[in-house]
Amino acid sequence: EVQLLESGGGLVPPGGSLRLSCAASGFLFRRFSMAWVRQAPGKGLEWVSGISGSGETTYYAESVKGRFTISRDNTKNTMFLQLNSPRADDTAIYYCARREWIDLGSFLDVWGQGTTVTVSS
Amino acid sequence: EIVLTQSPGTLSLSPGERASLSCRTSQSVSSAFFSWYQQKPGQAPRLLIYGASTRATGIPDRFSGSGSATDFTLTISRLEPEDFAVYYCQLYGKSVMYTFGQGTKLEIK
Repeated sequence: EVQLLESGGGLVPPGGSLRLSCAASGFLFRRFSMAWVRQAPGKGLEWVSGISGSGETTYYAESVKGRFTISRDNTKNTMFLQLNSPRADDTAIYYCARREWIDLGSFLDVWGQGTTVTVSS
Repeated sequence: EIVLTQSPGTLSLSPGERASLSCRTSQSVSSAFFSWYQQKPGQAPRLLIYGASTRATGIPDRFSGSGSATDFTLTISRLEPEDFAVYYCQLYGKSVMYTFGQGTKLEIK
């Protein structure tokens, strides 16, 4: 079964740091680019970051650029999101998702259950 | 940056009725880049439609997607109780990898 499982969420003070993990199973992880999407309480979905299958290419939303770092370890089938200097508006459920491509278009076909990050002192 | 606007914000219908959800983009886009997702309370989003009109694996055929350029529609032909949820449209882009609409809440009337 194709599955993504996030972990690492919790309470972090503003200006602190936190690392989220996304463990993949059931598919050839290194062949897929991946993404993080977040959802603030009671709000909609916001794309945060993406990474190529090799990990060589990364992408960030302007709202997190310079503060968050995405990476992956293909030997462990795991993706990470390092949150540095988080702010209160980074409080959200963070989902990892698998990127798929068809006919030059891309979409997110598999999602994890999410991990909750609360930024507060 | 392309903006996605979904309407209505909330749609109140009864089981068995037909639902039409709209998503408009601020610029013309390729249908290949357009998708729809369903999210139920306390759950992760689930892919419904990609390429504007292709159902994802396991999605019932009562769900259909259509549209082009700036106007896209998700239609649920006959609502089942499990279809009441929030629906998001999504566009794949370059500067912003994925842009989502603000969502349409489909609630039981």
